[in-house]
Amino acid sequence: QVQLQESGPGLVRPSETLSLTCTVSGGSISSDYWSWIRQPPGKGLEWIGYVFYSGSTNYNPSLKSRVTISVDTSKNQVSLKLRSVTAADTAVYYCARGSAVTPDYWGQGTLVTVSS
Amino acid sequence: QLVLTQSPSASASLGASVKLTCTLSSGHSSYAIAWHQQQPEKGPRFLMKLNSDGSHYKGDGIPDRFSGSSSGAERFLTISSLQSEDEADYYCQTWGTDFHWVFGGGTQLTVL
Repeated sequence: QVQLQESGPGLVRPSETLSLTCTVSGGSISSDYWSWIRQPPGKGLEWIGYVFYSGSTNYNPSLKSRVTISVDTSKNQVSLKLRSVTAADTAVYYCARGSAVTPDYWGQGTLVTVSS
Repeated sequence: QLVLTQSPSASASLGASVKLTCTLSSGHSSYAIAWHQQQPEKGPRFLMKLNSDGSHYKGDGIPDRFSGSSSGAERFLTISSLQSEDEADYYCQTWGTDFHWVFGGGTQLTVL
């Protein structure tokens, strides 16, 4: 059974870069699409983007200028970088596996707070 | 613009059935969607992918109590024989021709 574990700093300063890693176990990262989705406290879900194992990406247009999602097949990891963060980027960030149209397996998420 | 609309809340009694609705924006009535469940303090779980003709395929381990159907621009999730663990937020999600994903606002289901 595949497991996804998000990890990274729980606190990021405004204007800095949020960096998260999703470690995939119980399965190979060399297939499927790997996505990041976030959820501000008490609010709904927002798609950030996804990467195919080959490295091709697709991003939410509202975040595209600040986001990079990449895959490291040697480490079975997917990474997220979100630049120039503000308080509005405070959210639980989820890693998910799936296809180009929907995630079919989600991680448990990690809370990132943007604050000085 | 591709938008999904969901009622903010719904409720039904233990053992009863409930039908949740997700409505696609004008011009998008042929689109497929996916349903995801988020129990309190947990990550979401994929329930099913639902096509415009009502055909659907469910995720691994999703009980038969969960089913999907479609009518025009509306996509439905029906949960029968409601159990306490079905109390959760339910999100619909779709994708555009550019494969950009869109989520509905979610429906909070209360099991009475």
